[in-house]
Amino acid sequence: GENVEQHPSTLSVQEGDSAVIKCTYSDSASNYFPWYKQELGKRPQLIIDIRSNVGEKKDQRIAVTLNKTAKHFSLHITETQPEDSAVYFCAASYSGGGADGLTFGKGTHLIIQP
Amino acid sequence: DAGITQSPRHKVTETGTPVTLRCHQTENHRYMYWYRQDPGHGLRLIHYSYGVKDTDKGEVSDGYSVSRSKTEDFLLTLESATSSQTSVYFCAISATVQEGEQYFGPGTRLTVT
Repeated sequence: GENVEQHPSTLSVQEGDSAVIKCTYSDSASNYFPWYKQELGKRPQLIIDIRSNVGEKKDQRIAVTLNKTAKHFSLHITETQPEDSAVYFCAASYSGGGADGLTFGKGTHLIIQP
Repeated sequence: DAGITQSPRHKVTETGTPVTLRCHQTENHRYMYWYRQDPGHGLRLIHYSYGVKDTDKGEVSDGYSVSRSKTEDFLLTLESATSSQTSVYFCAISATVQEGEQYFGPGTRLTVT
């Protein structure tokens, strides 16, 4: 089955700086890669996703890049703000052939230092 | 937030007792999922459903069963709860497999003593 590795487990950045979180996946059939943000005691919230036919996607201060050859995708947050502090999860799945669910990384705790 | 509710939101139970968690959606989405979240493990898929009465096992299905008799409800049952099943349980829904987006419910915190 799919295996998703996520790094780093904790990331501390100064407010205003950029943050990058990286994930690798093992199953070359995976074609859907979402990112979730989870604040303490809350549900995971989908913040951005990318499909395998796209190399990069951007939404305001958030961007995701995908390298299918290397089986690697990353989340980039620019101009970080205090409200960006949360745990971020990457995930992978194969969509289109079934409903197998998402395989998640173990999460990155992003801390924005004032 | 998508129209997803979970009940109960918190539960404390004793080892060996049966427990049923409920996920209810008002979005008429076909696909529903149960995940558990534990420190250091992220979210792991327990069971999923691709339609009424159609369910299948996920990565960590041992000790759990599910049922889906209506589109809007997906039940997760722990037949005989164990301390290793202490966790936060999240339900998720998805409209189509082709799109892939999953939206999560608020979660149920279960403690087995």
